[in-house]
This record gives sequence, structure tokens and C-alpha cells, in this order.
Amino acid sequence: GNSVTQMEGPVTLSEEAFLTINCTYTATGYPSLFWYVQYPGEGLQLLLKATKADDKGSNKGFEATYRKETTSFHLEKGSVQVSDSAVYFCALNFQGGSEKLVFGKGTKLTVNP
Amino acid sequence: GAVVSQHPSWVICKSGTSVKIECRSLDFQATTMFWYRQFPKQSLMLMATSNEGSKATYEQGVEKDKFLINHASLTLSTLTVTSAHPEDSSFYICSARGPNQPQHFGDGTRLSIL
Repeated sequence: GNSVTQMEGPVTLSEEAFLTINCTYTATGYPSLFWYVQYPGEGLQLLLKATKADDKGSNKGFEATYRKETTSFHLEKGSVQVSDSAVYFCALNFQGGSEKLVFGKGTKLTVNP
Repeated sequence: GAVVSQHPSWVICKSGTSVKIECRSLDFQATTMFWYRQFPKQSLMLMATSNEGSKATYEQGVEKDKFLINHASLTLSTLTVTSAHPEDSSFYICSARGPNQPQHFGDGTRLSIL
């Protein structure tokens, strides 16, 4: 079946540190890949996405590259801010199919000033 | 941008009562809506997919008589938790999408059953 595995948190960083959150997937076929962010008490917001191999999604200083050879979609940011504190979810779906999103378990990030 | 409104944001009720949660797309026609459940410190679990005007498709293990979903219009879907019990306490999140659009999520509803 289709699944997403992401690194377990929590992750605690100081402001301006480099961030990596690992995400790997298992899927039949070639899914679209997403990173969502959930701020405390809120729903999910799409952070970035990539729809095919070697695509790089980027937004608000975050980026992730769709690596088919390693079935990975790691999230990175060069310099985190306190306002980046949130839970980050990696997800996949198949466009044109049922379009259900399959989520990883989420990684909680805390950035300290 | 596309906005999805979910109401209420927080509800506390007694065991045995039924609770209705609304999900509205405010500025687009949502041909498909999804209902997710999120347990504390865990991921989102898809409960069901509903298409406007047709019956919802439930995921395996989700009781359709327990979690009633209605998607009667292109802007509104409702989830009713019938005869709720403490184990139904959770964070419920809806998402909506129009044709050829990604999913847009509501802010979630925290349900606490006493």
C-alpha cells in the first residue's frame, strides 16, 4: 500500500539554524508529494508540493526536492524563525485518482529565540 | 485564495448526544470534501470522501452509521457524530476541493465528550 514515513520529533532548534525534516514514501506508481504545516489549534496549510521526479517545491524559504531514486522528499530551510514553530506533515496522493491524501505522522518543530 | 470554514471550532458535550460539524467552502464550489480525524500527536486519518449529491465513501474501519456525512450542496458538507462517547473525542478536520484544484483545509473542530 501507499505510505509516508517522516522523522519523528520533536525537533528543537535555535533561531537561524538549518532545518531538515526527512520524509520517504512507498507508493505504487508516481505520486504527487506535499508538505503541509499545522500551526497550534489550526487546520493544515499547504506549504509546498512537487508533482514529478526532480521537481523542487519551494515556499517561504522552505524547499523540498522529489527524489524518485531514493523515494524521498526531505524538507529543508536554511535559517528558521520562531514563527516557523509548528507541526509539519509530509503527504502524497495520486492526481486524477481518488485524490486521497496519505499523511506521515507529523514532526513537531520548536524554534527558540 | 480558497477559504474553507469549519464550525464549530470547539465543542464539549455529554456522552450520548449527537454533534454536527459543518464545513463550508466560502469562495469556490467544492465538488469533493474530505473528513479527517486527528488523534493527539498523531497524523490525520481519512474517514470519508464525499462528492456533492452522492453518498460518502467511507474508509475501512470507519462506522458509517456512527459518522454521518451529508454533502447536499457545492458549498456545504456536514459530519454528524451520533450518540457520541468519550472515545469519539478528537480533532476533526475537513478539506474541500473544486475541479482540478488541490485540497483546502478547514481549521478543525476539537470535540470533547464528557
